[in-house]
Amino acid sequence: AQSVTQLDSHVSVSEGTPVLLRCNYSSSYSPSLFWYVQHPNKGLQLLLKYTSAATLVKGINGFEAEFKKSETSFHLTKPSAHMSDAAEYFCVVSDRRTGFQKLVFGTGTRLLVSP
Amino acid sequence: EAGVAQSPRYKIIEKRQSVAFWCNPISGHATLYWYQQILGQGPKLLIQFQNNGVVDDSQLPKDRFSAERLKGVDSTLKIQPAKLEDSAVYLCASSSSRLGYTFGSGTRLTVV
Repeated sequence: AQSVTQLDSHVSVSEGTPVLLRCNYSSSYSPSLFWYVQHPNKGLQLLLKYTSAATLVKGINGFEAEFKKSETSFHLTKPSAHMSDAAEYFCVVSDRRTGFQKLVFGTGTRLLVSP
Repeated sequence: EAGVAQSPRYKIIEKRQSVAFWCNPISGHATLYWYQQILGQGPKLLIQFQNNGVVDDSQLPKDRFSAERLKGVDSTLKIQPAKLEDSAVYLCASSSSRLGYTFGSGTRLTVV
């Protein structure tokens, strides 16, 4: 079965410093991987997605992620954190076994940004 | 393009009562999903429809949860009777092969 493991439940950074949110995946075949962000009391927003094209994926708001098959990782990074980045981030893998797209979410990483 | 509409936004009920949630997907999206997000966890798929047929309901607690998608458009999710552990945000999403996934804002259910 497809699964993702988010290695940190909380990450704290200062504004202007780099962000690293870690995610490892498990898949029996080439996966589609996503990062979603959820601000308090808001819906889920897609940050970026990997679908077997370029291994370095650029998303919205300056975020990017690199697919590393040898390490089964898909870590999310941003060079400089902004206060508005404080939110819950989910690493997600797509299960296409049935031909329909079922999303399997990680447990989430809460990003805290201090002034 | 209008987003995925869900109602109500919030609902508080007592345990053993019943409750229903409504979802209107993006026009033309054939696939509709219901996810349950318990506080502090990632969303978990409850049921997936392709048009008005069920594709995956393996994680739906069928003794108390039911869902339908009439005419392949709107969908309702019902819980009867509710338990305390059903307190969660219920997210509806729809997708198309061309445009991908879109989530609604969710319904926050509190069972007391």
